Amino acid sequence: AQTVTQSQPEMSVQEAETVTLSCTYDTSENNYYLFWYKQPPSRQMILVIRQEAYKQQNATENRFSVNFQKAAKSFSLKISDSQLGDTAMYFCALYGGATNKLIFGTGTLLAVQP
Amino acid sequence: NAGVTQTPKFRVLKTGQSMTLLCAQDMNHEYMYWYRQDPGMGLRLIHYSVGEGTTAKGEVPDGYNVSRLKKQNFLLGLESAAPSQTSVYFCASQSAGYNEQFFGPGTRLTVL
Repeated sequence: AQTVTQSQPEMSVQEAETVTLSCTYDTSENNYYLFWYKQPPSRQMILVIRQEAYKQQNATENRFSVNFQKAAKSFSLKISDSQLGDTAMYFCALYGGATNKLIFGTGTLLAVQP
Repeated sequence: NAGVTQTPKFRVLKTGQSMTLLCAQDMNHEYMYWYRQDPGMGLRLIHYSVGEGTTAKGEVPDGYNVSRLKKQNFLLGLESAAPSQTSVYFCASQSAGYNEQFFGPGTRLTVL
């Protein structure tokens, strides 16, 4: 079975600071992908960043980057220069290539303070 | 190009009533999914489909049925609604050759 664990229900960061959200996962598949999704108050699910498990290089998207530790099954999200618009719920998710299913963690509610 | 749309956006039901949620996508995606989101639980997979005419159970399928008669549509049915089905429901679609899922705006369902 595949599982995703987010152990930080809520976090807070000051505007312009850096924050890291944690995620651990478990899977028996070799072919899998990891994602961070953002859900603002509008409720829309927005893809933030994607990591292919076969790639060693950590993915980056502008102010967002990940620290992918495959052996430790860890996938953390770093947000640099935090902005008020980053306030949202963030979900870590695991997609198994064999199962065609996306499994979500329980989410981390991030509040960016002015 | 509307992406993934869901109908309706809000609905209130009484216990025992039935309803159908419609998901439509215009991206010619093969895979479609229904999730429910509850506080503190993240998104949980209800049912999914990897092609027209096929469906499969997800993590929490009890009390729901689905149909995929057309490639672009995926229907989620509640035959006899229960208060435990009060939730926000999300539909998503995905190309078979790519692993990114595209989500609809969600449907907030309240069962009294």
